[in-house]
Amino acid sequence: NAGVTQTPKFQVLKTGQSMTLQCAQDMNHEYMSWYRQDPGMGLRLIHYSVGAGITDQGEVPNGYNVSRSTTEDFPLRLLSAAPSQTSVYFCASSRLAGGATGELFFGEGSRLTVL
Amino acid sequence: GENVEQHPSTLSVQEGDSAVIKCTYSDSASNYFPWYKQELGKRPQLIIDIRSNVGEKKDQRIAVTLNKTAKHFSLHITETQPEDSAVYFCAARAPSNTGKLIFGQGTTLQVKP
Repeated sequence: NAGVTQTPKFQVLKTGQSMTLQCAQDMNHEYMSWYRQDPGMGLRLIHYSVGAGITDQGEVPNGYNVSRSTTEDFPLRLLSAAPSQTSVYFCASSRLAGGATGELFFGEGSRLTVL
Repeated sequence: GENVEQHPSTLSVQEGDSAVIKCTYSDSASNYFPWYKQELGKRPQLIIDIRSNVGEKKDQRIAVTLNKTAKHFSLHITETQPEDSAVYFCAARAPSNTGKLIFGQGTTLQVKP
């Protein structure tokens, strides 16, 4: 099992550019989510999904789009990057069904810099 | 929505001493409280969790306590070792089928040899 795989690990963008952070999990988890990590701010929830075709906003959704066409994939799109989106992004997944504990499994993170 | 406050933001202890990190949550319906450890440059990983029907849980040198009335929970690390140095995050989740987990701001723990 690869677990949760994120790509790319590093990315530099110019203001106004768009990009997609990819996230895939091979654990058949229903729940997938994106967090951003900034110094002193902890892990803040951007968007999450409880299954294919279902997405919802988290704490800081502005400037980001997501889709969930399959159970395995949950890409995060930045339509017009801004310097305030410079951060480390983590994708995380967990089981929901069958009395699962809900433990979140994180990807390795993607460091994004917007100039 | 749920809000989680975590204190202190930094904590420095001598090796062998105990460390305590405290969190408060806002949603009285929250029923699941995990703690994650993040070593430098690594991903967060679950170290211990507690559910609202339990007041305390231990796993070797770490323990978590929960006070539902006061809406706060704490992480206790005894006999700290240099390898305990990391950022620790608390989190809370309200009962639903969304799985949404809200994190605190994190505590940087430094254990001095």
